[in-house]
Amino acid sequence: NAGVTQTPKFRILKIGQSMTLQCTQDMNHNYMYWYRQDPGMGLKLIYYSVGAGITDKGEVPNGYNVSRSTTEDFPLRLELAAPSQTSVYFCASSTRGTGELFFGEGSRLTVL
Amino acid sequence: GENVEQHPSTLSVQEGDSAVIKCTYSDSASNYFPWYKQELGKRPQLIIDIRSNVGEKKDQRIAVTLNKTAKHFSLHITETQPEDSAVYFCAASLTGNQFYFGTGTSLTVIP
Repeated sequence: NAGVTQTPKFRILKIGQSMTLQCTQDMNHNYMYWYRQDPGMGLKLIYYSVGAGITDKGEVPNGYNVSRSTTEDFPLRLELAAPSQTSVYFCASSTRGTGELFFGEGSRLTVL
Repeated sequence: GENVEQHPSTLSVQEGDSAVIKCTYSDSASNYFPWYKQELGKRPQLIIDIRSNVGEKKDQRIAVTLNKTAKHFSLHITETQPEDSAVYFCAASLTGNQFYFGTGTSLTVIP
């Protein structure tokens, strides 16, 4: 049982480039989330999904897109990367609302 | 949306002393309040949570209290140990669709 797996762990992007952060979970969780973590700012929700085919915006969705075609996968797409998107990104899943969040190991993204 | 404030941002205690971290929330409808611990370079992990129908919950050296009237909840760690050193985050949620996190408290336990 691998839990929540994110790739890549580290990535450096140039301004204007695009990329996809991959997230997979093998716990059959319906709920999946993408957070970004900036120093001293806690965790901010970017997008979330309550099941395959359903996604919704969180607190800071601008500049990002997501899709949820399967229960297992929840990729995060960055279009036209900007320095403000330099951050650590965490994918998380839970079996239900108001339950424990299981986080991936994080992906450190730098935009130069 | 919900606004969660967390204090203090940094906390240093001597080994064996107690540590208290406080959070306030703005939406009185929030009903689930977890606490996460994040060690340096690691992922956040749940250490304890409380629901709005409970005033206090304890798990060994860790306890959480909730005051719904005042809209605040606190994490208490007793008999602190060096391995308790980490960043602690509180959060609040109404539906579980969105968790609103505090800005974190960096706890250092001095041996």
